[in-house]
Amino acid sequence: DTEVTQTPKHLVMGMTNKKSLKCEQHMGHRAMYWYKQKAKKPPELMFVYSYEKLSINESVPSRFSPECPNSSLLNLHLHALQPEDSALYLCASSHPLSGTGELFFGEGSRLTVL
Amino acid sequence: AQKVTQAQTEISVVEKEDVTLDCVYETRDTTYYLFWYKQPPSGELVFLIRRNSFDEQNEISGRYSWNFQKSTSSFNFTITASQVVDSAVYFCALSEPPYNTDKLIFGTGTRLQVFP
Repeated sequence: DTEVTQTPKHLVMGMTNKKSLKCEQHMGHRAMYWYKQKAKKPPELMFVYSYEKLSINESVPSRFSPECPNSSLLNLHLHALQPEDSALYLCASSHPLSGTGELFFGEGSRLTVL
Repeated sequence: AQKVTQAQTEISVVEKEDVTLDCVYETRDTTYYLFWYKQPPSGELVFLIRRNSFDEQNEISGRYSWNFQKSTSSFNFTITASQVVDSAVYFCALSEPPYNTDKLIFGTGTRLQVFP
């Protein structure tokens, strides 16, 4: 079982809806990540939080709004999404200063935007 | 610019066959890390191995082995005696400095199907 838990596993939303994706880890990791993965494509980095501070935003549209309320939780708030935003959203965590690249991923939240 | 190429889009083998997944990378850095991740149908990516640029020693872990060759910028992955449970998408990845945020550049992945 993965140690990074993502909810919900599946989400269907309309373009005018507001929803959130949630990610939780209890490994004491202080870096957390959001990745987006389209079908048959590699994961693409969206955001990185290090010690609860946003350290990387890969020029993601503002309709995606990340939040890191504490070291164990990471949210991704969604508003006014487009159908092309339909994808698997993966959360990951790591010890931020390890430089090891060993990311621990959740199983993802599969988002469909109608 | 950093880049990872996995030329094999999809590979199909029959159980117990050996299979090698290729990975070629490009980087201007002298210090870097290479990785392999496995993505089973359930969706999560599972870390398999990390190699730093100064360690060219090949590694074996059970049925898995990795061949790192700096001279050809390759980091290939071999599964010996494949099993149905090995069916997944495998990603090769390269770390991009600064290393304090573990930012990875993924290849496009190789889908491995192992048939009984």
